Amino acid sequence: EVRLVESGGGLVQPGGSLRLSCAASGFTFSEFWMSWVRQAPGKGLEWVANIRADGGQTYYVDSVKGRFTISRDNAKNSLYLQMNSLRAEDTAVYYCARDWRAAMVFSYWGQGTLVTVSS
Amino acid sequence: DIVMTQTPLSSPVTLGQPASISCRSSQSLVHSDGNTYLSWVQQRPGQPPRLLIYKISNRFSGVPDRFSGSGAGTDFTLKISRVEAEDVGVYYCMQATQFPWTFGQGTKVEIK
Repeated sequence: EVRLVESGGGLVQPGGSLRLSCAASGFTFSEFWMSWVRQAPGKGLEWVANIRADGGQTYYVDSVKGRFTISRDNAKNSLYLQMNSLRAEDTAVYYCARDWRAAMVFSYWGQGTLVTVSS
Repeated sequence: DIVMTQTPLSSPVTLGQPASISCRSSQSLVHSDGNTYLSWVQQRPGQPPRLLIYKISNRFSGVPDRFSGSGAGTDFTLKISRVEAEDVGVYYCMQATQFPWTFGQGTKVEIK
């Protein structure tokens, strides 16, 4: 069974930093692209970033470029999102998702972790 | 960026009756490889999203056959042939033809 478990969310002040983690199990992590998708409270979904299976290629939505860094450790079956210079508008539930490149979709999603940026 | 526009934003439906959601993209979703990367996800209340349909009309594993997708180019539709109570939630279309991947605003399906 595919399982994705996010952690690391919490309350942080504007300008602060936070590192999210996603522990993957139930599949060969090193064979799949992975993504972060977020959802602001009461709002829709927004793709944030994704990373190639070997970690050698990354993409970001413009609003987080230069502030967020997606990375992975295939030996630990883990995905990360380092978030710096956080803003109020980054407040959201952050989902880890497994990409399915043949169909360009998110085939599995974690339960999400809430990040709140507030003073 | 490609803008995805869904209609309606809310759809009250009687149990057992059909429901239809429209999704329009601001530009063609036909990729240079010939595929159209338009998908649909469902988000039940309090739950993470779940993939329903990929590449316009293909049902993902375990998705009931009352869900179907259709369309081409810039106009796409998700249909539920007979709405069941477990179908309550918000439905999003998503394009992955061009970065950044973008979602529609979501359509809330609720029971009348």
